[in-house]
Amino acid sequence: GAVVSQHPSRVICKSGTSVKIECRSLDFQATTMFWYRQFPKKSLMLMATSNEGSKATYEQGVEKDKFLINHASLTLSTLTVTSAHPEDSSFYICSALPLSRTGANVLTFGAGSRLTVL
Amino acid sequence: SQELEQSPQSLIVQEGKNLTINCTSSKTLYGLYWYKQKYGEGLIFLMMLQKGGEEKSHEKITAKLDEKKQQSSLHITASQPSHAGIYLCGADISNFGNEKLTFGTGTRLTIIP
Repeated sequence: GAVVSQHPSRVICKSGTSVKIECRSLDFQATTMFWYRQFPKKSLMLMATSNEGSKATYEQGVEKDKFLINHASLTLSTLTVTSAHPEDSSFYICSALPLSRTGANVLTFGAGSRLTVL
Repeated sequence: SQELEQSPQSLIVQEGKNLTINCTSSKTLYGLYWYKQKYGEGLIFLMMLQKGGEEKSHEKITAKLDEKKQQSSLHITASQPSHAGIYLCGADISNFGNEKLTFGTGTRLTIIP
């Protein structure tokens, strides 16, 4: 089945530094990937839609200069949290939409990346 | 306000008992997904429903989408410890067909022996 890999799974960084999280579709191509954020014991909040070869579309209230998204290829999207602060600590999850949508399970999620900013 | 409401928020069930989780929206659900999540991990796809009145089953889990496509239920029969986790419903409420999902508030299921 379709697999989406996220890296790193856990990252701890100092306040003020930038952190990059990768989302890769391992066995399929994805023109669209989604980035979600999840606070403890809360649901997933969509941050942005990442489109290969074009600018990401951010949801209302999400700072695009804070959360830089790059979708450089059909198998890789990256989320960079710039100048991270403790309030950016969260669980970030990506999902990928296959280029060829032939099955019911069209959206595959990564295992998530837990960011802790000290 | 939350566009997708799940109930209950948490559920403690004795092993072997049946249970139902509901997902309700004031908007039409053009694609309704059920996922399971272990705390701090990714989402595991369970089922997707698209048509009003549709019902799907996999092992001991059955999901239904009502005729109006505004409510879905997830039913687990003879629950087991492996069913414990957080259940999330996600839906496409825009009908753009781009799988941009809005998620429900989640239901935390605990199975006690």
